[in-house]
Amino acid sequence: GQSLEQPSEVTAVEGAIVQINCTYQTSGFYGLSWYQQHDGGAPTFLSYNGLDGLEETGRFSSFLSRSDSYGYLLLQELQMKDSASYFCAVNDYGQNFVFGPGTRLSVLP
Amino acid sequence: NAGVTQTPKFRILKIGQSMTLQCTQDMNHNYMYWYRQDPGMGLKLIYYSVGAGITDKGEVPNGYNVSRSTTEDFPLRLELAAPSQTSVYFCATSRPSAPTDNEQFFGPGTRLTVL
Repeated sequence: GQSLEQPSEVTAVEGAIVQINCTYQTSGFYGLSWYQQHDGGAPTFLSYNGLDGLEETGRFSSFLSRSDSYGYLLLQELQMKDSASYFCAVNDYGQNFVFGPGTRLSVLP
Repeated sequence: NAGVTQTPKFRILKIGQSMTLQCTQDMNHNYMYWYRQDPGMGLKLIYYSVGAGITDKGEVPNGYNVSRSTTEDFPLRLELAAPSQTSVYFCATSRPSAPTDNEQFFGPGTRLTVL
């Protein structure tokens, strides 16, 4: 089976940097994804790490360490619109995805 | 392009009733998924399909059935609705190009209440 852990809530101010960690236990690992979901909306894709290291997309970066079963999402220059829930997800070779419980990010003015 | 569409947007069912949640995509993606999301929780994979005629169980398949006769459509069937199936259901697609890209595209969701 697979299980993931994320902090339940994170609070930061506009313009700050925040890091959301994700640890996982899995019987078959292929990659780690991150999704953003605003209240009442559908999840939207942020990034995918299939290899160890850092992936950067604009203000968002994601990191993966397979040896530590650990990854994180880094959000820079926080904006009010970044207030949302963030989910990490792992998938195995067969595209069976398991999502984490989510981290609710609140950005304060 | 419409992307991933789901119907209906909302539905109220009585216990024991049946219904089919529709999911259609025009992205020509091979992979399709059904998730459920309970309030304040993460997404749970119900079933997924890697192509027409091929389906597989996810984490929470009990009480649901799927079929995949075409690339475009991936309906989810609830045979005997139970209050525990009250949830928001999301359909998603992907066309993974490993190992650096595995983006899933989600539909807007169907909010189902079973009373």
